[in-house]
Amino acid sequence: DAKTTQPNSMESNEEEPVHLPCNHSTISGTDYIHWYRQLPSQGPEYVIHGLTSNVNNRMASLAIAEDRKSSTLILHRATLRDAAVYYCIRRTYAGNMLTFGGGTRLMVKP
Amino acid sequence: EPEVTQTPSHQVTQMGQEVILRCVPISNHLYFYWYRQILGQKVEFLVSFYNNEISEKSEIFDDQFSVERPDGSNFTLKIRSTKLEDSAMYFCASRGDGLNTEAFFGQGTRLTVV
Repeated sequence: DAKTTQPNSMESNEEEPVHLPCNHSTISGTDYIHWYRQLPSQGPEYVIHGLTSNVNNRMASLAIAEDRKSSTLILHRATLRDAAVYYCIRRTYAGNMLTFGGGTRLMVKP
Repeated sequence: EPEVTQTPSHQVTQMGQEVILRCVPISNHLYFYWYRQILGQKVEFLVSFYNNEISEKSEIFDDQFSVERPDGSNFTLKIRSTKLEDSAMYFCASRGDGLNTEAFFGQGTRLTVV
């Protein structure tokens, strides 16, 4: 089971940063934190993942709390195209499938 | 950029009929998956496939479902006798070697059972 908690929805203004929180208080030491998003009428899309250190890529940044019980996905400048459902997923070290929860529906206002 | 391709994009079938959903995973990937999403609900794992056999399956993946990689490029999901509740978006995904590589999803096949 997913064992992560996310707000159901969030709103952001276009071109402003967005911080999407995720709580995973029961995470084990070898679980990775993955983020995927699902744009309307599309399949899920990989965003970023990390274990302990903060991570950056071209899409986003992932800030992981020191105790690893929570993390935050950061979109530095939200665009209308970033409106999607964002899923925070715990994945075991050798994990095979992804277990999706309800995610956070991000709405971006022009 | 390589992508996972699914066909058809939309399939309508009569209840009780067999359907085959097709997927072409990314060519050098080793792990293959099917997920489904009933309208308005979560994305649910169905089955994973590695080294020409099922490696994991969920409770949803009962005897009515089967998967096959017939020719080294295609990956198919067959539903033997469709039910109304099988109506959903079906997503194929693949990932490469390595313990934490990301999964790439196709655009999905919308299955409507009438």
